[in-house]
Amino acid sequence: AQTVTQSQPEMSVQEAETVTLSCTYDTSESDYYLFWYKQPPSRQMILVIRQEAYKQQNATENRFSVNFQKAAKSFSLKISDSQLGDAAMYFCAFSQSGNTPLVFGKGTRLSVIA
Amino acid sequence: KAGVTQTPRYLIKTRGQQVTLSCSPISGHRSVSWYQQTPGQGLQFLFEYFSETQRNKGNFPGRFSGRQFSNSRSEMNVSTLELGDSALYLCASSLAGRTTYEQYFGPGTRLTVT
Repeated sequence: AQTVTQSQPEMSVQEAETVTLSCTYDTSESDYYLFWYKQPPSRQMILVIRQEAYKQQNATENRFSVNFQKAAKSFSLKISDSQLGDAAMYFCAFSQSGNTPLVFGKGTRLSVIA
Repeated sequence: KAGVTQTPRYLIKTRGQQVTLSCSPISGHRSVSWYQQTPGQGLQFLFEYFSETQRNKGNFPGRFSGRQFSNSRSEMNVSTLELGDSALYLCASSLAGRTTYEQYFGPGTRLTVT
């Protein structure tokens, strides 16, 4: 079974600074998808960024980018120019290619300090 | 386009009762997945419905059931509620295409069992 591990339960960052959230996963599959979801205090899960395993290029969405290391099974999220609105729980998630459920990590609570 | 909606948003039930939660997916989305979120276990997959058929099922007891209607709206039911069923129940919808698997989440239903 696939597992997703987020080793940092909590992190903090100064406003306008850069922070990196870590995620590792375990799978024997070669084709899969990886996601970062954000869950603010309002509880609505929001997709931040996605990465297809077959793509070597790291995904980028505005201030959010990933460092995808397939051999190391690592998928970290970098948030640049952190803003107060970035404060939330961040979940790393894995989905095997095809119609399979998301497997989530335990999450990292990010605080942004003004 | 309207997002995923869930009703009710909050619910308080007594142990032994049953409860039904509703989820309306984004228009055009045919897949609806349900997740349970608790502080201890994190996010766990319950089941997924696609075209009125349960396509995937997580490791939950038979007290948890669901269904999907022809308009893709889904309901989940929990019978004989236990204190441990207190959780945030999240619904997510997706197009469920063969090459993408992007899920969009609703705001959740907070269930409290007393």
